[in-house]
Amino acid sequence: QSVLTQPPSASGTPGQRVTFSCSGGSSNIGSSYVYWYQQLPGTAPKLVISDNNQRPSGVPDRFSGSKSGTSASLAISGLRSEDEAHYYCAAWDESLSGVVFGGGTKLTVL
Amino acid sequence: QVQLVESGGGVVQPGRSLRLSCAVSGFTFSDYAMHWLRQAPGKGLEYVAVISRDGNNKYYTDSVKGRFTISRDDSKNTQYLQMNNLRPEDTAVYFCARDLHWLPDYWGQGTLVTVSS
Repeated sequence: QSVLTQPPSASGTPGQRVTFSCSGGSSNIGSSYVYWYQQLPGTAPKLVISDNNQRPSGVPDRFSGSKSGTSASLAISGLRSEDEAHYYCAAWDESLSGVVFGGGTKLTVL
Repeated sequence: QVQLVESGGGVVQPGRSLRLSCAVSGFTFSDYAMHWLRQAPGKGLEYVAVISRDGNNKYYTDSVKGRFTISRDDSKNTQYLQMNNLRPEDTAVYFCARDLHWLPDYWGQGTLVTVSS
């Protein structure tokens, strides 16, 4: 059971906009930055959103993030087949003194 | 460019020990806290441990406290994870990662640890 809650799956067609939700609590999302990672099959996670809504260098502007209270979301616009991957949210948890993750959302591009 | 390369994984019997290494390049190692994380086969991401820039603060997930030790050697641009009394549930790909605001930003490719008799 993950500390942060994400839906297990999402889907969309090329060109569509999809959003992923991530729900937590006051000790994690409510008091920490939220980061989002993309993990393609058989590869290491890649940071796509840092500090709630910042895109690291090289990440397309089709990716955007937001945070409100104890929830966060990731949006991908102009969906492409190469976006098919697992997406994980993460935050620092003050009570646990550690990083907590969501269980991940598997994105399927139809 | 930022690079992190893990090594030291393998197959080990329950109760035995293993030490993982993570050699970094492309950034000033001593300026960053560092993480170890893991991913069991077919499962999600799990935090293991983090060490502060100066090495004085170390935090562990509950399931590894007392068994795993994170450390760093700034002269070698390398961090380590000493894993003792390994259990089958420790089987996973272990990733090292650089820290940004107490969360991982750059990740290595991982090293597989299999605990099995």
